[in-house]
Amino acid sequence: KAGVTQTPRYLIKTRGQQVTLSCSPISGHRSVSWYQQTPGQGLQFLFEYFSETQRNKGNFPGRFSGRQFSNSRSEMNVSTLELGDSALYLCASSLGTAEGKLFFGSGTQLSVL
Amino acid sequence: DAKTTQPPSMDCAEGRAANLPCNHSTISGNEYVYWYRQIHSQGPQYIIHGLKNNETNEMASLIITEDRKSSTLILPHATLRDTAVYYCIVRAPTSGTYKYIFGTGTRLKVLA
Repeated sequence: KAGVTQTPRYLIKTRGQQVTLSCSPISGHRSVSWYQQTPGQGLQFLFEYFSETQRNKGNFPGRFSGRQFSNSRSEMNVSTLELGDSALYLCASSLGTAEGKLFFGSGTQLSVL
Repeated sequence: DAKTTQPPSMDCAEGRAANLPCNHSTISGNEYVYWYRQIHSQGPQYIIHGLKNNETNEMASLIITEDRKSSTLILPHATLRDTAVYYCIVRAPTSGTYKYIFGTGTRLKVLA
């Protein structure tokens, strides 16, 4: 069974630009969640989608948004990039049930110059 | 939300058992304890989870105290490949779903 796939693996952008990251979950998983990881703040929860609906959101500004498609694939978008958005962005999929183990992708390393 | 406290770093000799403690004194009765580890620049990897009883799988054992305020992850025979950051997480129900709250983790270094 294929794991969680995130693309691209690396990305370099400049301030003010926007970026879209993609995540393909494990087949059969309906929940996709996104995390931001930085050396200073650690792993921080961004949002979670289940069956195309956002059902949980972390404490991030509105520049961070996401969506989920009918095949459970998910994208997250960051608009008007800031230097502080440089981070490893991780996607995790799960069945979305009560005993939800998370399966993480390798992440997208975003650098904002 | 229940939070966890872990020592920032630990060393363990190769072949010995690694015992990683975690404090979750504010945990509620229906909150699970999960353990993940992250090897440099990769996504976190699930290890084990439990609610009340001790658990064991092919990777590790999880010992939860009777009052559920703390737990210990045991890697029975640590190898160099177990060098990683280990996260103890309480999975909290919120608004009909669940939220994982990651702490800062324990950086385990297995020494040859």
